[in-house]
Amino acid sequence: KAGVTQTPRYLIKTRGQQVTLSCSPISGHRSVSWYQQTPGQGLQFLFEYFSETQRNKGNFPGRFSGRQFSNSRSEMNVSTLELGDSALYLCASRPGQGISYEQYFGPGTRLTVT
Amino acid sequence: DAKTTQPPSMDCAEGRAANLPCNHSTISGNEYVYWYRQIHSQGPQYIIHGLKNNETNEMASLIITEDRKSSTLILPHATLRDTAVYYCIVRVGYNFNKFYFGSGTKLNVKP
Repeated sequence: KAGVTQTPRYLIKTRGQQVTLSCSPISGHRSVSWYQQTPGQGLQFLFEYFSETQRNKGNFPGRFSGRQFSNSRSEMNVSTLELGDSALYLCASRPGQGISYEQYFGPGTRLTVT
Repeated sequence: DAKTTQPPSMDCAEGRAANLPCNHSTISGNEYVYWYRQIHSQGPQYIIHGLKNNETNEMASLIITEDRKSSTLILPHATLRDTAVYYCIVRVGYNFNKFYFGSGTKLNVKP
């Protein structure tokens, strides 16, 4: 079974622009979560989607948004990019929302804002 | 929300057991302890999780103290490929997926 895939793998944007990142979960997985990883802050939870609905959200400004499609694929959007948004953005999927389900992470998208 | 505390780094000789500690003193009754690891430039990889009983799988063993305030991840025979950052995470809530990742422990396996 194919793993979680994320596109693009690397991205360079300019401050003030917006960006859209894509995540395809493992086949059959309906829950998708997004995380931001930076050297200073470590891994931080952004939000989770299940059945096209945002189920939980971390402490990030409204510039960070996402959505999930009927095929469980998910996109994350960051508007008005800031230098501090440079990070590795990770997507994780799991079969459902039950507490014992484990997450499977993708390789991430490395975003650099200049 | 329960948080975790881990040592920033540890060394281990190849072939020996690696014991990685984690403190989660504010954990509540319905929260699980999860362990993940991240090899440089890759996404985190799930290792093991548990609630109160000790757990073992093909990768590792998880020992949780009786009061659940701390746990230890054991890699029985560490190899060079186990060099990674290991994250101990406490799961918050019931149907939520709001993992809190701390700073992790960088495990250096040396020949």
